[in-house]
Amino acid sequence: AQSVTQLDSHVSVSEGTPVLLRCNYSSSYSPSLFWYVQHPNKGLQLLLKYTSAATLVKGINGFEAEFKKSETSFHLTKPSAHMSDAAEYFCVLSGGSNYKLTFGKGTLLTVNP
Amino acid sequence: NAGVTQTPKFQVLKTGQSMTLQCAQDMNHEYMSWYRQDPGMGLRLIHYSVGAGITDQGEVPNGYNVSRSTTEDFPLRLLSAAPSQTSVYFCASSQGSNQPQHFGDGTRLSIL
Repeated sequence: AQSVTQLDSHVSVSEGTPVLLRCNYSSSYSPSLFWYVQHPNKGLQLLLKYTSAATLVKGINGFEAEFKKSETSFHLTKPSAHMSDAAEYFCVLSGGSNYKLTFGKGTLLTVNP
Repeated sequence: NAGVTQTPKFQVLKTGQSMTLQCAQDMNHEYMSWYRQDPGMGLRLIHYSVGAGITDQGEVPNGYNVSRSTTEDFPLRLLSAAPSQTSVYFCASSQGSNQPQHFGDGTRLSIL
């Protein structure tokens, strides 16, 4: 069985400070992992993806994530938060051949001025 | 390039009514899926399709039907709406199981 755990339901940071959104996963297969962002009243937009190439993955808008197999983690980071980063972030796992994705429950990022 | 288009954007129904949520994609993707998003629950898979004529159930299929007669379209039907189906519905498509999903902007459905 596959599962994704986003360790924080809400993260609050000040503008200009680092962002860390944590994601742990469990999978019987070699996983593909994604981070998506959802702004209010919008669909989900892909930030970055890991598909067994480089373990440090760079995405859009200055975000990056590191795949750590030994820790079964795929944490999302950004060196300096911007007000426009305020949104909900989802960690998503894909594994096996059944085309099904497993979503984490989301982390709401608040950026304070 | 429109991507994934969902209609309508908003809908209010009465209990027992039926309706179809439309989803169309212009990227020639084989894989399409429907999710519902509820507060604190993330996204849950309702139904998915790996190609025209092929559909399968996801995590929460009860009360919903789908069909896939063309590659482009994947409508979701509510046969007899219930208040528990009040949610935001997202359609997504991708080239394959390990490829990024492209999401529509969602349909916000309220059932009274």
